[in-house]
Amino acid sequence: AQSVTQLDSHVSVSEGTPVLLRCNYSSSYSPSLFWYVQHPNKGLQLLLKYTSAATLVKGINGFEAEFKKSETSFHLTKPSAHMSDAAEYFCVVSGKFSGGYNKLIFGAGTRLAVHP
Amino acid sequence: EPEVTQTPSHQVTQMGQEVILRCVPISNHLYFYWYRQILGQKVEFLVSFYNNEISEKSEIFDDQFSVERPDGSNFTLKIRSTKLEDSAMYFCASSGDRGSDTQYFGPGTRLTVL
Repeated sequence: AQSVTQLDSHVSVSEGTPVLLRCNYSSSYSPSLFWYVQHPNKGLQLLLKYTSAATLVKGINGFEAEFKKSETSFHLTKPSAHMSDAAEYFCVVSGKFSGGYNKLIFGAGTRLAVHP
Repeated sequence: EPEVTQTPSHQVTQMGQEVILRCVPISNHLYFYWYRQILGQKVEFLVSFYNNEISEKSEIFDDQFSVERPDGSNFTLKIRSTKLEDSAMYFCASSGDRGSDTQYFGPGTRLTVL
C-alpha cells in the first residue's frame, strides 16, 4: 500500500530565505509523486509531478523537488521564499489500479508561513 | 487554461437533508474523482468514475453517497441524508488519458451540516 508522511506540520521562514518541506513516501512499486499547494480559501493547485523521467523535478513558481529512492524521500525546495508562497503544501502519492484510473493519497500537509 | 469548476462554493444544510454538489470537469478528460477534507484532517479519496460507472470507492463512500454524470459536462455528488460528520470541503478532480496520473482539482465546495 502507498502512504505519505510529511515530517513538519508547520514551517516558518523569512522572506528571501530557502524553503524546505520534507516528505517521505512508502510504495510497493515505483510511484508517481506530486506536490500540491492550497492557498487560503482556494482549491488544490498542482506544483510539480515526478514520474521517473528525471529525479529532479522543476515546478511552478520556482519550486523543485528531488526524488531519492534510497531515502524514500521527495522533499520540496525553493531557493528564496516570497510572501505569496504562504500556503498549505501537500505531498501526494498516486495509487494505481489496473483499470487505468488512480487515486491520490495525501499527506497531512505542511503549513508554510513567510515572514517579512 | 481549462479548469475544473464547482458549484456552489458554500452549501449550508440541515441534518437529514439531501444535497447535490456539482462539478464541471475539464472538457476532454475521461476520469472523474471526488475527495473530501474535513477541517483539520487529510484530504481523503471518496470515489473515482469512468465510462459512466464507479471504478473505485473508499469505505467512506457508503449508500448515502452517489455520483452521476447526467450529461456530457456535469459530474455530481449526492448525499441523500446528510449527517453532521459530512461537514467538509469537497473537491472534484479530473484526469485525461487512460493511465494519466495528473488530476486537476476544482476550488471545492464547503458543506456545512447543521
